[in-house]
Amino acid sequence: QKEVEQNSGPLSVPEGAIASLNCTYSDRVSQSFFWYRQYSGKSPELIMSIYSNGDKEDGRFTAQLNKASQYVSLLIRDSQPSDSATYLCAGSTGTASKLTFGTGTRLQVTL
Amino acid sequence: DVKVTQSSRYLVKRTGEKVFLECVQDMDHENMFWYRQDPGLGLRLIYFSYDVKMKEKGDIPEGYSVSREKKERFSLILESASTNQTSMYLCATRAGGGSYNEQFFGPGTRLTVL
Repeated sequence: QKEVEQNSGPLSVPEGAIASLNCTYSDRVSQSFFWYRQYSGKSPELIMSIYSNGDKEDGRFTAQLNKASQYVSLLIRDSQPSDSATYLCAGSTGTASKLTFGTGTRLQVTL
Repeated sequence: DVKVTQSSRYLVKRTGEKVFLECVQDMDHENMFWYRQDPGLGLRLIYFSYDVKMKEKGDIPEGYSVSREKKERFSLILESASTNQTSMYLCATRAGGGSYNEQFFGPGTRLTVL
């Protein structure tokens, strides 16, 4: 099992809908989790971090962490075409200095 | 705001050339990282450094070396560039002291080796 796994997509949602992006992780990745957005040809940009079980909201974004089931999700409400990007999930490992990244899920928001 | 800069956005080099990619951060972060990103392969860690003059191999260190003589600067060196090193190179920085610290990326360098 990969340490952090994501479905590569593309995930296609209509404008105004809720986009749900999911990520599962192994036992080695346990402390904290981060969501990055990456537009084509650009570098990843941090959008959310979550450390505790439950939900964390920031504007249209909600991160959800379930440590018992070992998954972390990102919900994007009222999806806009500008949300079309690849979303990377990352978690910290036992070595606190580095993160482990999933391969990313491509989101397409259609008009 | 964390600022991470990379020496070039685009670079074209010839096979066999020695290539230097530089990364500079202004937030006094202990940890610095070099990744490469290729379609379908995601981010792959090449090397990282947790302190001045300290370095650790990542997942794909072959063909690369690094240098960190000052805390704010982390250099990636391709000793003899090859075409399979054509890629997007991303530098990142992260504060030390805990697994909750966020990691920030520079703008990236797209390297083409002919």
